[in-house]
Amino acid sequence: QVQLVQSGAEVKKPGSSVKVSCKASGGSFSSYTVTWVRQAPGQGLEWMGGIFPIFRTTNYAQKFQGRLTITTDESTSTVYMDLRSLRSEDTAVYYCARGVGVPAATFDYWGQGSLVTVSS
Amino acid sequence: QSALTQEASVSGTVGQKVTLSCTGNSNNIGSYAVGWYQQISHGAPKTVMFGNSLPSGIPDRFSGSKSGTTASLNISGLQPEDEADYYCSTWDYSLSAQVFGGGTKLTVL
Repeated sequence: QVQLVQSGAEVKKPGSSVKVSCKASGGSFSSYTVTWVRQAPGQGLEWMGGIFPIFRTTNYAQKFQGRLTITTDESTSTVYMDLRSLRSEDTAVYYCARGVGVPAATFDYWGQGSLVTVSS
Repeated sequence: QSALTQEASVSGTVGQKVTLSCTGNSNNIGSYAVGWYQQISHGAPKTVMFGNSLPSGIPDRFSGSKSGTTASLNISGLQPEDEADYYCSTWDYSLSAQVFGGGTKLTVL
């Protein structure tokens, strides 16, 4: 059974950075895209970007260009989401999801979510 | 403003069949498979349909279809546990981005 296990909740100051991890187990890692999606309080789902580990290719939503970096460590089947210059509007639950297809138009498995709170 | 348009709310009674719709354009739904994601009480999303595939563990009361630039999620024999927010999503090649609908709140009466 595929599982995506994310790191725990974080509280960050405005202007700082956060790095959230997503560790995959139970299935192939490198040959699927891993995508990051976030959900602000009371809002819908928002795509941030993704990585295709086998080629280490990434794509990012324009909104996050320059502030977001997604990386992978194939030795531990872990994908990382690094968001910089945090502001209060970045307070959200961050989810990783495994994408199906290239491009990964759909997702089959999701992580449990990581709450990031940005507050002074 | 979401790239994909979903009903804000849909309701049905236990045992009824309901259909949730997701409307896009030729750059997204018209070109790629669509996923449907269930979110209960703001917990983690759960995939209930991806493309034409029903994930393991999802009852076959759930089914999906697509016609042109509109995708639909059908739920037959509605159950109380189906009450949730449902989001549709797919890739958009003109935006080079994954796009989501605004979500439909399904209420089981």
